[in-house]
Amino acid sequence: EVQLVESGGGLVQPGRSLKLSCLASGFTFSNYGMNWIRQAPGKGLEWVASISSSSSYIYYADTVKGRLTISRDNAKNTLYLQMTSLRSEDTALYYCVRQGYRDWFAYWGQGTLVTVSS
Amino acid sequence: DIVLTQSPTLAVSLEQRGTISCKTSQNVDNYGISFMHWYQQKPGQQPKLLIYEGSNLASGIPARFSGSGSGTDFTLTIDPVEADDIATYYCHQSRDYPRTFGGGTKLKLK
Repeated sequence: EVQLVESGGGLVQPGRSLKLSCLASGFTFSNYGMNWIRQAPGKGLEWVASISSSSSYIYYADTVKGRLTISRDNAKNTLYLQMTSLRSEDTALYYCVRQGYRDWFAYWGQGTLVTVSS
Repeated sequence: DIVLTQSPTLAVSLEQRGTISCKTSQNVDNYGISFMHWYQQKPGQQPKLLIYEGSNLASGIPARFSGSGSGTDFTLTIDPVEADDIATYYCHQSRDYPRTFGGGTKLKLK
């Protein structure tokens, strides 16, 4: 069974940093591209970043480029999102998502909540 | 960026057919494949994949869900609608970066 368990969310002040983690199990992590997708309270889904299986290809939404960094450690079956210079508009539930063969979002974690507020 | 447009709400009666549309600002087909996918999100839950590549039913999804369309016009059909289907439905394109979602269609009972 595919499992994606996010952690690291919390309350943080504007301008500060936070690092999210996602521990994957139930599949060969190193074979799949991974994503972070977020959802602000009461709002729709927003794609944040993607990373290919070997980290060769990385893409970001313009709204986070230069502030958020996606990375992965295939030996630890873990996906990361380093978040810096956080803003109130980054407040959201952050989902770790595994890709399907042609980049659909096949499996979603439960999400970890990030609240940016003073 | 490819913009995906969905109607915000759809009211349907139980046991009737519900159709949710998604229109894209650019063609999301390539090599004969539609890079259009659909997700269901119930309150308090993470989204779940329903349909991939326009019309392929994801594993474990009931056959009353189906997807159709090509190019810039796509449809998710639920027939018949059951009480458990009350949720918000999102379309998503993987034709190009940035990946984008529609704004979501909230399915309500009439």
